[in-house]
Amino acid sequence: EAQVTQNPRYLITVTGKKLTVTCSQNMNHEYMSWYRQDPGLGLRQIYYSMNVEVTDKGDVPEGYKVSRKEKRNFPLILESPSPNQTSLYFCASSLSPSRGNQPQHFGDGTRLSIL
Amino acid sequence: GENVEQHPSTLSVQEGDSAVIKCTYSDSASNYFPWYKQELGKGPQLIIDIRSNVGEKKDQRIAVTLNKTAKHFSLHITETQPEDSAVYFCAAIGPESGYALNFGKGTSLLVTP
Repeated sequence: EAQVTQNPRYLITVTGKKLTVTCSQNMNHEYMSWYRQDPGLGLRQIYYSMNVEVTDKGDVPEGYKVSRKEKRNFPLILESPSPNQTSLYFCASSLSPSRGNQPQHFGDGTRLSIL
Repeated sequence: GENVEQHPSTLSVQEGDSAVIKCTYSDSASNYFPWYKQELGKGPQLIIDIRSNVGEKKDQRIAVTLNKTAKHFSLHITETQPEDSAVYFCAAIGPESGYALNFGKGTSLLVTP
């Protein structure tokens, strides 16, 4: 089954404790992206990757890091989490947009609470 | 950057009625407009999309219309069913957005039996 898998689905942690949210897709997609969803603000892009070893900032990249060492994986790293990073996070993937805009497929989300 | 406005924020209809959700966008260069459905505890799921060279697209009970001149697009759901109850998001992508989906704030649709 074609899917985008995020782990963990839920995490409660404390300020300053490094954490990583993993994202994996099995559709051989070139493009991967992270969004955060907040009440009243909707979904906003954090980082995206056009292909392996190619990443770029989205609208709200501060406090986050990403890496793209393999095509299928795109982890989101919070080196020193803060309470304002409490949010619902979604990973998405698609075929390369350079072929024309492509439908993005989303994972089921990771709810992070930073105390 | 692109700004997408979505209305209404909540919509309640009776089963069998039609539901219409409207979005406007600001960047005239935007050329791809997907609609997503998000159920509780799930990620957004693409339900239909339209590109700027097309004015209307239909898939069973769901249709999307695009008016490039007025910079607005709409989602139409006919013969609504209780399982259509969810939050619906419109989005737009343009050349300046870095391929990011610029989402509207969402419409919470409730279909009552």
